[in-house]
Amino acid sequence: EAEVAQSPRYKITEKSQAVAFWCDPISGHATLYWYRQILGQGPELLVQFQDESVVDDSQLPKDRFSAERLKGVDSTLKIQPAELGDSAMYLCASSLRQGKAGELFFGEGSRLTVL
Amino acid sequence: AQSVTQLDSHVSVSEGTPVLLRCNYSSSYSPSLFWYVQHPNKGLQLLLKYTSAATLVKGINGFEAEFKKSETSFHLTKPSAHMSDAAEYFCVWGNTGFQKLVFGTGTRLLVSP
Repeated sequence: EAEVAQSPRYKITEKSQAVAFWCDPISGHATLYWYRQILGQGPELLVQFQDESVVDDSQLPKDRFSAERLKGVDSTLKIQPAELGDSAMYLCASSLRQGKAGELFFGEGSRLTVL
Repeated sequence: AQSVTQLDSHVSVSEGTPVLLRCNYSSSYSPSLFWYVQHPNKGLQLLLKYTSAATLVKGINGFEAEFKKSETSFHLTKPSAHMSDAAEYFCVWGNTGFQKLVFGTGTRLLVSP
C-alpha cells in the first residue's frame, strides 16, 4: 500500500540551529500539507500546496519557517533558527486532489525536540 | 469561526464494552465532519467521514458516527471495544471547497482488559 514518507523520524537540535524535514507524498497526489502537532493538541495546518503552488500558508511563521515543493512532488519544511517552542511533531499529508476534503493520507511524522 | 470541541480528553473503557467519544461542532453552514485515529508514534488515519449524505456513517474497524444537526454533534461509537482501539481520536471539521481541516484537541481512548 502506498504511503507518505517522511524523514527524519526524530530530530534533536539546539535552539538557533537550522532544521529541515522532508516529505514524499503518495504518487499522483496533487495536494500536500504540512501540519504541526504540539503534545496534547490537535494538528494545526502550517502550509498547503496544490502541485507546486502554495494555497494556504496563513499559519506559517514566515520569519523562521519556509516550505517548498519545487517540482510539485516532494516537499521540504525548514526552520531557521529553531526555538524552544518549535518542539512538536511535524506531520505531512497528501490527498488526490483539491475538493476531496478529509481524505488525507498522513505520514508517520517527524518529531522535533529543541534544547 | 468554525471549530470542533471534543468534550473528553480521556475516555477509559473495558474490553468488550461500548465506546462513546463525543464531539460538537460550530459552523455557520453544514460542515463536512471526520474522525481520525492516531496510534502511538504513527500518522493519522481516516476512520470515517460525513459529507451531507446519510447521517449515520459507518467507518473502519466497527466504528460509526451519527450527525445530529439539532444537537450540532458528531459522536463516535463502537459497540464493543478491543484492545487495539487504544489510541488518540480526533474529530475534524472540513471545508469541502478548499480542503481546509480544523482538528479538535483529541480524545485518548484507554482500553483495559
